[in-house]
Amino acid sequence: QVQMKETGPGLVQTTQTLSVTCTVSGFSLTSYGVHWVRQAPGKGLEWMGIIWGDGSTNYNSALKSRLSISRDTSKSQVFLTMNSLQTDDTAVYYCAEGAYGSAHYWGQGVMVTVSS
Amino acid sequence: DIQMTQSPASLSASLGETVTIECRASEDIYSNLAWYQQKPGNSPQLLIYDANSLADGVPSRFSGSGSGTQYSLKINSLQSEDVASYFCQQYNNYPFTFGSGTKLEIK
Repeated sequence: QVQMKETGPGLVQTTQTLSVTCTVSGFSLTSYGVHWVRQAPGKGLEWMGIIWGDGSTNYNSALKSRLSISRDTSKSQVFLTMNSLQTDDTAVYYCAEGAYGSAHYWGQGVMVTVSS
Repeated sequence: DIQMTQSPASLSASLGETVTIECRASEDIYSNLAWYQQKPGNSPQLLIYDANSLADGVPSRFSGSGSGTQYSLKINSLQSEDVASYFCQQYNNYPFTFGSGTKLEIK
């Protein structure tokens, strides 16, 4: 079955760079896309971007200048990197499998706190 | 960016009732719409995709409908386990965008 698991640092200092890894199983990264979605405490969902099965990426325009999504298909891992972090980047970061645009399988998320 | 206006923001209903949540897109999204359920403390789960297709394992009391800019999620025979927040998402245009959510409680 499809499984997604996010791992990340937990705490990041302001102005630093966030790196979160999504390790997947049960499907091939060359066949399906992986979304990144985040949720600030008590808030709604914010779509961050996607890496498709062909390796192409699309980003939320509000984050595009700071955000990069990449992958290592041999390790079944997808990477989110975001620089110049601020306190309002504090959120739970989710990865989710997406055959098309909808997100069918989600990880449990990783809480990232940005602090000065 | 396409704006997704979701209503109501919160909803209280009795067990066994039927409830409807609406989402309006700022432009035609050609049924490229999904609905998600997020129970407290949990990750979102897909309920509906392509506006009216039920995701695997989702009870048939959930249904989606709509076209163009207007979409709805209906829950028949409300159960206690349906207490959750519900979000719509369009995936017709980049960036994909979510509605602001509906918090459903039991009366």
